[in-house]
Amino acid sequence: GAVVSQHPSWVICKSGTSVKIECRSLDFQATTMFWYRQFPKQSLMLMATSNEGSKATYEQGVEKDKFLINHASLTLSTLTVTSAHPEDSSFYICSARDTRTITGELFFGEGSRLTVL
Amino acid sequence: AQSVTQPDIHITVSEGASLELRCNYSYGATPYLFWYVQSPGQGLQLLLKYFSGDTLVQGIKGFEAEFKRSQSSFNLRKPSVHWSDAAEYFCAVGAYGGSQGNLIFGKGTKLSVKP
Repeated sequence: GAVVSQHPSWVICKSGTSVKIECRSLDFQATTMFWYRQFPKQSLMLMATSNEGSKATYEQGVEKDKFLINHASLTLSTLTVTSAHPEDSSFYICSARDTRTITGELFFGEGSRLTVL
Repeated sequence: AQSVTQPDIHITVSEGASLELRCNYSYGATPYLFWYVQSPGQGLQLLLKYFSGDTLVQGIKGFEAEFKRSQSSFNLRKPSVHWSDAAEYFCAVGAYGGSQGNLIFGKGTKLSVKP
């Protein structure tokens, strides 16, 4: 199957700083990518849909000014957690839609664990 | 409302025993159904998916799942569990096509395997 890579896998930062997480589709172009947040022992919560060349669509309750999403190319979407606070500590996962397939199957990245001190 | 229910939060089985993880869904349109596995600190790996056709689908690692429309279920099964199967399992439902859709995930079932 297609490969989606996230970087970094782990990041620790001080409160108040900003952190950028990258999501790359390695062997296919993805016009649509999704960002999720996963709290400990819970399921994935969709944060936003990232569309190449246009603004992201955020789910209700997600602060768009805190979680900046940029999808500047067909293989890269970035999530920037601005002015991070300890409550932003979480596991962030991205997925990308492979439009080469009829069903537009989603492929998931390995996840990025953010710890804000 | 669209939703996915995984009734079992945590299941423990002995190695070599059979396994069934339950999944029920509520979805307005024709559902596309998925099972994913997540190891600690990792992303999600697709085990199998159902789009149409044969309601019994085979996946990787010896897993299979059966779609039962009348019961709105998509239970995951494995005849003989291995210790390496210990992980979190997520059932998901969605719609595909064009730019629409995303997946709705269940809350997951944690599988522990006893030696």
